Amino acid sequence: GQQLNQSPQSMFIQEGEDVSMNCTSSSIFNTWLWYKQDPGEGPVLLIALYKAGELTSNGRLTAQFGITRKDSFLNISASIPSDVGIYFCAGPRYGGSQGNLIFGKGTKLSVKP
Amino acid sequence: NAGVTQTPKFQVLKTGQSMTLQCAQDMNHNSMYWYRQDPGMGLRLIYYSASEGTTDKGEVPNGYNVSRLNKREFSLRLESAAPSQTSVYFCASSDGQPQPQHFGDGTRLSIL
Repeated sequence: GQQLNQSPQSMFIQEGEDVSMNCTSSSIFNTWLWYKQDPGEGPVLLIALYKAGELTSNGRLTAQFGITRKDSFLNISASIPSDVGIYFCAGPRYGGSQGNLIFGKGTKLSVKP
Repeated sequence: NAGVTQTPKFQVLKTGQSMTLQCAQDMNHNSMYWYRQDPGMGLRLIYYSASEGTTDKGEVPNGYNVSRLNKREFSLRLESAAPSQTSVYFCASSDGQPQPQHFGDGTRLSIL
């Protein structure tokens, strides 16, 4: 069935570093979504991608819709402490209703001790 | 600027009890959603409402009912709670997009 694989599962960042993470699938997606979730809070939609090859930015965040439609990438430039959290990729479930999404297991960003 | 507000934030129930989770949004959004989040499973759609007066089942609707009371409010009801319904429940809304944009902070529900 449809699955989204996110990597890395976790990473430590130092303020000012650039961060890269990705999401892959064996299935084709027509939409890629990136959400961030802070502890004790609901997810926040960061970026939505609708077209293969699309590159979209939201401040220091940039996401790309892979040309094969089987992957997506999220980059964070010049990380700051408030970037800490869990980042989820998501895409529409085949045959599902509006809002019926498949989520990856997340990439957890923490600050280097 | 409240966004999506969920009540209560925490609740403990006994098996068989009923309760209603409340959700309200102040952004005039047409679409509202209820999800549950379980460890290792991501968020799963329970029900959604594309517009006032309409509701539809999502991926995991069994054991739940919903009411779209008006454009602002979308409630989720557990008629007879079961331990398998222990989860974190999120309400969300969107407008003009087929996916949730704004989420509430969740209701943490434990059923003993």
